[in-house]
Amino acid sequence: EIVLTQSPGTLSLSPGERATLSCRASQRVDSRYLAWYQQKPGQAPRLLIYATSSRATGIPDRFSGSGSGTDFTLTISRLEPEDFAVYYCQQFGRSPLFTFGPGTKVDIK
Amino acid sequence: EVQLLESGGDLVQPGGSLRLSCAASGFTVSRYGMSWVRQAPGKGLEWVSAVGTVDDTYYADSVTGRFTISRDISENTLYLQMTSLTAEDTAVYHCVREGRGAADNQFDYWGQGTLVTVSS
Repeated sequence: EIVLTQSPGTLSLSPGERATLSCRASQRVDSRYLAWYQQKPGQAPRLLIYATSSRATGIPDRFSGSGSGTDFTLTISRLEPEDFAVYYCQQFGRSPLFTFGPGTKVDIK
Repeated sequence: EVQLLESGGDLVQPGGSLRLSCAASGFTVSRYGMSWVRQAPGKGLEWVSAVGTVDDTYYADSVTGRFTISRDISENTLYLQMTSLTAEDTAVYHCVREGRGAADNQFDYWGQGTLVTVSS
């Protein structure tokens, strides 16, 4: 079973700052199957990044993803007020078929 | 426009059963992998079950033997039959669509979810 660990648990930043979120896997993850989601309070999660580095439809280019093997990163180049949310990484593998990380909360400093 | 609308969530006693529905529009459910993902109050996301395009089914260990995923092509609807419910099953249950092509095995559309509460 692949376990995903996200750090930090909470990231306190100001609008305009750069956010760097980490997702580390207990075993190698196929980079084709690593995704990031954003969830705001009371809303369903939204796909941001798929296949490690591809932005989903309508996602602004301040969001970028990178990584390989066991270490993956979501970067928000300049935080906008609407970006303060919880971010989850997710991978597809075997048993269980899909796993999520515990999430990183990005809140306003 | 792709839409997923869940229903069927309710307050149920421990040991009880419930069936969740997810009415899809804007696409054909039989042509995509579909999953249920749940979120306990104040907690993170947990994948529950999936059905593939050839009706292959998969379950998280925590629900194996208790939950059954299925879909009705004529109704374009996904279902989750839940039995032997416990307090640990209390959560918002989201219906999600898996992407295709480069977004294969990632969840490109989510429903708003339906709340299941297991309590006496």
